Amino acid sequence: DTEVTQTPKHLVMGMTNKKSLKCEQHMGHRAMYWYKQKAKKPPELMFVYSYEKLSINESVPSRFSPECPNSSLLNLHLHALQPEDSALYLCASSQSQGGVTEAFFGQGTRLTVV
Amino acid sequence: GENVEQHPSTLSVQEGDSAVIKCTYSDSASNYFPWYKQELGKRPQLIIDIRSNVGEKKDQRIAVTLNKTAKHFSLHITETQPEDSAVYFCAAHSRGGSYIPTFGRGTSLIVHP
Repeated sequence: DTEVTQTPKHLVMGMTNKKSLKCEQHMGHRAMYWYKQKAKKPPELMFVYSYEKLSINESVPSRFSPECPNSSLLNLHLHALQPEDSALYLCASSQSQGGVTEAFFGQGTRLTVV
Repeated sequence: GENVEQHPSTLSVQEGDSAVIKCTYSDSASNYFPWYKQELGKRPQLIIDIRSNVGEKKDQRIAVTLNKTAKHFSLHITETQPEDSAVYFCAAHSRGGSYIPTFGRGTSLIVHP
């Protein structure tokens, strides 16, 4: 299984809503990532979890709250988002942080904030 | 931190031509350089990678070269096909960035049949 699975694929939410994005991998990878990607731009790193601990937070606003319940799962909790937060949210995993191995990306969640 | 520059931003070629995309990086400690292909509405997928102890790597129609002294690396696609049309991102894993990939801005490759 070389898949990173993200749900939902599409999400429309109001600025007062609370929602969560989910990511799952069963490759035994110990590093998991959240990226934000705007149209025609490269993925922009948000958070990194290494061995289920938050190791990098790229100064992301607190309305985005990551959670890593176990080594296979990664969540991103969303609250009070702004329209400019609309983007493709990508989850990725790799064998470990700091390794010279590729990151596997999920299909992403297309988020629209209205 | 690491800074990755990628050129060109758009590349238009005829089917069968070669395409070359170039990237430069700033951190001499960077040790891994993957290339990702992202088709419209889909996830980035690794197409080829190179480690800092290797100068060139080839996989069928795709090759990557690395010049550590000059701190640049390039993607070469030969005999391009319409299905090669996509956005290509280079990336560099640098120690300053905790070996998290820093991406280039992307190149939109269009292959005309």
